[in-house]
Amino acid sequence: KNEVEQSPQNLTAQEGEFITINCSYSVGISALHWLQQHPGGGIVSLFMLSSGKKKHGRLIATINIQEKHSSLHITASHPRDSAVYICAVQYSGGGADGLTFGKGTHLIIQP
Amino acid sequence: DTGVSQDPRHKITKRGQNVTFRCDPISEHNRLYWYRQTLGQGPEFLTYFQNEAQLEKSRLLSDRFSAERPKGSFSTLEIQRTEQGDSAMYLCASSHPSGGRGYTFGSGTRLTVV
Repeated sequence: KNEVEQSPQNLTAQEGEFITINCSYSVGISALHWLQQHPGGGIVSLFMLSSGKKKHGRLIATINIQEKHSSLHITASHPRDSAVYICAVQYSGGGADGLTFGKGTHLIIQP
Repeated sequence: DTGVSQDPRHKITKRGQNVTFRCDPISEHNRLYWYRQTLGQGPEFLTYFQNEAQLEKSRLLSDRFSAERPKGSFSTLEIQRTEQGDSAMYLCASSHPSGGRGYTFGSGTRLTVV
């Protein structure tokens, strides 16, 4: 079964801490997405990557294709970063071109 | 273009009633997806359109569910004879034909069946 596993499920940290969220998947993919979901449901796409590393502001996403693993890092975390962070993958090969999602990591940054 | 729009944002309905949701994707995106998300879970794929053609449907999509995209622009998702288990967030997303620019999600429609 194609699965996407995220860890941790819940993370509470103090403002300013360096945050790491992990994602692993089981079979070959064409791309991996990191998404942010705030209370109320809207999802924002943070990164789409298929190799290496991407950086946007205080957010950094890395992927290791051989190990089937990706990490999302937040530097100098802030309470406004509190949200659910979801890893999603596009699998290689045929079938629906949609995404398979992890269950998400619920992040709370305390002031 | 203001992104992917979904309507309504919230819907409360009695068990057994029919409901219809609408999604307006980004205009130049020819791919449109419907997902369902229950509390504490990640979204699950329901169905996918390329232009007006519905190319794939999940086994999650029972006979009570139907989706259309008649002119390859907006899409509707209808649930007939709603059940309490249908209560969830219904998310729509669209993507560019090249696929290389990622997905844009709507804010979702939260359905509560009482």
